[in-house]
Amino acid sequence: SYVLTQPPSLSVAPGQTARITCGGINSGTKTVHWYQQKPGQAPVLVIYYETARPSGIPERFSGSTSGNTATLTINRVEAGDEADYSCQEWLDGGDLWVFGRGTKLTVL
Amino acid sequence: QVQLVQSGAEVKKPGASVKVSCKTSGYTFTGFQVHWVRRAPGQGLEWMGWINPRSGGTNFAQKFRGRVTMTDDTSTSTAYMELNRLISGDTAVYYCARHRHDYGFAFDVWGQGTMVTVSS
Repeated sequence: SYVLTQPPSLSVAPGQTARITCGGINSGTKTVHWYQQKPGQAPVLVIYYETARPSGIPERFSGSTSGNTATLTINRVEAGDEADYSCQEWLDGGDLWVFGRGTKLTVL
Repeated sequence: QVQLVQSGAEVKKPGASVKVSCKTSGYTFTGFQVHWVRRAPGQGLEWMGWINPRSGGTNFAQKFRGRVTMTDDTSTSTAYMELNRLISGDTAVYYCARHRHDYGFAFDVWGQGTMVTVSS
């Protein structure tokens, strides 16, 4: 089965940069997205189409891809950024969606 | 304001079925597919499938085929997900979400989630 690989956890000090990777994406795909989920809340879309930010998402959040790996970068990390972050890819061949297992970001 | 509002928490016994509703508002219901996603305790998000309210067409993740049904009622702009033959591993929070074609099929709006507990 198709698997997207994320590190289970990442710890970053406030003000530093967090980079969360998602391996196993189709090279050249643009339909990679990222979600933030805080405890007890629904997921929130923070990056779509690999690099685009929805309205209301701070510019500190950005996305990129290289080969088979997508990366979510959070600059100047704040305490409020502590959450689980999940990548997602749309597989157009089967009109299916797949999520990574998620990365728990801890702000020290 | 686009909203997806789900039904309340459920407790079911193994072998039973559960049906979760997702009432939408603030947009044209038939213009967007509705997806169902779950998150089990300690696990990641898991995509289950979608329904197209315009056509009634559905598509499911391989894991759930034969055990899940997705339907809708266009008169009330509500989508439904029914999962049969429940096991303890189905204990999870279930979410509905809308995808946007112009967002690369990302899920831009989500319901608040419905906790389903399977326990004898």
